[in-house]
Amino acid sequence: NAGVMQNPRHLVRRRGQEARLRCSPMKGHSHVYWYRQLPEEGLKFMVYLQKENIIDESGMPKERFSAEFPKEGPSILRIQQVVRGDSAAYFCASSRLGDTQYFGPGTRLTVL
Amino acid sequence: QQQVKQSPQSLIVQKGGISIINCAYENTAFDYFPWYQQFPGKGPALLIAIRPDVSEKKEGRFTISFNKSAKQFSLHIMDSQPGDSATYFCAASSRSGGGADGLTFGKGTHLIIQP
Repeated sequence: NAGVMQNPRHLVRRRGQEARLRCSPMKGHSHVYWYRQLPEEGLKFMVYLQKENIIDESGMPKERFSAEFPKEGPSILRIQQVVRGDSAAYFCASSRLGDTQYFGPGTRLTVL
Repeated sequence: QQQVKQSPQSLIVQKGGISIINCAYENTAFDYFPWYQQFPGKGPALLIAIRPDVSEKKEGRFTISFNKSAKQFSLHIMDSQPGDSATYFCAASSRSGGGADGLTFGKGTHLIIQP
């Protein structure tokens, strides 16, 4: 049973470009969470999605960031017009019914 | 989201010793408290979790102690091994609707087990 998959593992973008991060939850999991981790920091919650619905986006910056979890396919975290401060590791976690969250390996975004 | 305070920031323990990491929370709505282990360049891996209806949970060498009245919980690693050297995060969440809120994490503890 494959775990949570994220791609790409590493992503380099120049300032002003768009970054798209993908997350495929574990089989049978319909809850997806996105977190951001800055160097030497804990993980910060960004957004919680269920299939085709955003449940809680209280941790998401108001501008440039968006997330979706379509009926078919992976969840996408999209960052428009990236800035250097967006450089971080972005982790996706999935859950079957809530509570226990299993994390993917993360996408390390570097903005030049 | 309410903060979860974790201490110490770093910890050095001799092989075979007991590693103890503490966390405190503020939000009384939290009802799920997991601990995660993270190695450099990897995603967090769930170690053990507890709910406030029990005061202690043990899985192998890992034990969570929970004090609801003090709003504190701790991780004990018995017989610590060099392979346990990693960063440990405590976290907390509450339930809402049909699922659980996003986790609120502590800032992490860098644990080094000296051989």
